[in-house]
Amino acid sequence: QLTQSPSSLSASVGDRVTITCRASQGITTYVAWYQQKPGKAPKLLIYGASTLHSGVPSRFSGSGSGTDFSLTISSLQPEDFATYYCQQFKTYPLTFGPGTKVDIK
Amino acid sequence: QVQLVQSGAEVRKPGASVKVSCKASGYTFISYPIHWVRQAPGQRPEWLGWINVGNGNTKYSQNFQARVTITTVTSANTAYIEVSSLTSGDTAVYYCARDAPLAPGFDYWGQGTLVTVSS
Repeated sequence: QLTQSPSSLSASVGDRVTITCRASQGITTYVAWYQQKPGKAPKLLIYGASTLHSGVPSRFSGSGSGTDFSLTISSLQPEDFATYYCQQFKTYPLTFGPGTKVDIK
Repeated sequence: QVQLVQSGAEVRKPGASVKVSCKASGYTFISYPIHWVRQAPGQRPEWLGWINVGNGNTKYSQNFQARVTITTVTSANTAYIEVSSLTSGDTAVYYCARDAPLAPGFDYWGQGTLVTVSS
């Protein structure tokens, strides 16, 4: 089971934003992070907890192992306002966190 | 470029079945697993299962194992998911997604297919 915090946040362009994801049991680094905008499919940002997917801006970064993970956006841009999900790949069924909605302050 | 293109929206009555297709292009279809994920309105994505396109092996979420079947037609570069015994709780957008090559993660997704179950 995955939990995320906060469930939502309001931020301004240029802010540093950190989202956390906690697993109920250790999942080493079998975590991915996605960005989803309304009416669109999720988009892969990070895999293996900290590896940036090809084409994703370097302002996104991921860290963590075991049970605690984080996604950081170093300088929030207008196109980053969206919902973010973590996903674990350690055990079946593969599961997603409940999401963190980032909107404009 | 890699693309996954899904079939159009479907409306079904409770108790019926639905089959959604996902046509792949831009890569070697048999080299990458395909997963299916659904997302009900306002909810988190929910993983349904996956297929090893190379050998046809499948793995399903226990929550759906009795009602979901994932198949492929490799000659057509197309994957399918069939969901049976539909209820209103199955109303959702259904996505196919490709497994990333280097580590677990879904690197390409279909555009989604809305399945509405209503009497």
